[in-house]
Amino acid sequence: AQSVTQLGSHVSVSEGALVLLRCNYSSSVPPYLFWYVQYPNQGLQLLLKYTSAATLVKGINGFEAEFKKSETSFHLTKPSAHMSDAAEYFCAVSEGTSGTYKYIFGTGTRLKVLA
Amino acid sequence: DAGVIQSPRHEVTEMGQEVTLRCKPISGHNSLFWYRQTMMRGLELLIYFNNNVPIDDSGMPEDRFSAKMPNASFSTLKIQPSEPRDSAVYFCASSRGQESVGAFFGQGTRLTVV
Repeated sequence: AQSVTQLGSHVSVSEGALVLLRCNYSSSVPPYLFWYVQYPNQGLQLLLKYTSAATLVKGINGFEAEFKKSETSFHLTKPSAHMSDAAEYFCAVSEGTSGTYKYIFGTGTRLKVLA
Repeated sequence: DAGVIQSPRHEVTEMGQEVTLRCKPISGHNSLFWYRQTMMRGLELLIYFNNNVPIDDSGMPEDRFSAKMPNASFSTLKIQPSEPRDSAVYFCASSRGQESVGAFFGQGTRLTVV
């Protein structure tokens, strides 16, 4: 079964600092990987996805993620944190066959941005 | 596109009562997912449907939980009888059924059982 592991349930950065949220996957085949963001009292919103077209994936709000097969990682980064980035971030992987797929989520990382 | 629509947004009920949560997926999406989010257990997949057929309900916690999808534009998650430990945020999500697409989430229903 596919799975993702997010290291660090809470991350704090200063406004303007680099954001790095970690995600490692467990898969025997190249996976499809996703990052989602959840703002308070809202649903999850897709930030970006890796579909094997390119290892560096750019998403919304200035976020990007790099797929590294050798490290089985898909870490999320943003060069300069903004106060509005404070939210919970989830890494996810798809699993399934023959047109029926489900999405398995990590435990989430809550990002706090300090003024 | 209106996105995935869930109702109600908030539900407060007494222990033992029946609760029905509703979901309208994005038009054209053929996969539908029900997730539950709690502080203790994070985001759990309860059940998912493909073309209105339940594919995997192994995440449904107990027989008190049931889900239906009578047509492509509507699904329900029912809890009967409800218990305080069912208090959580329940999300519905839909997808085009391709593994590279990702799932699109509704705003969730916050259920409180007292």
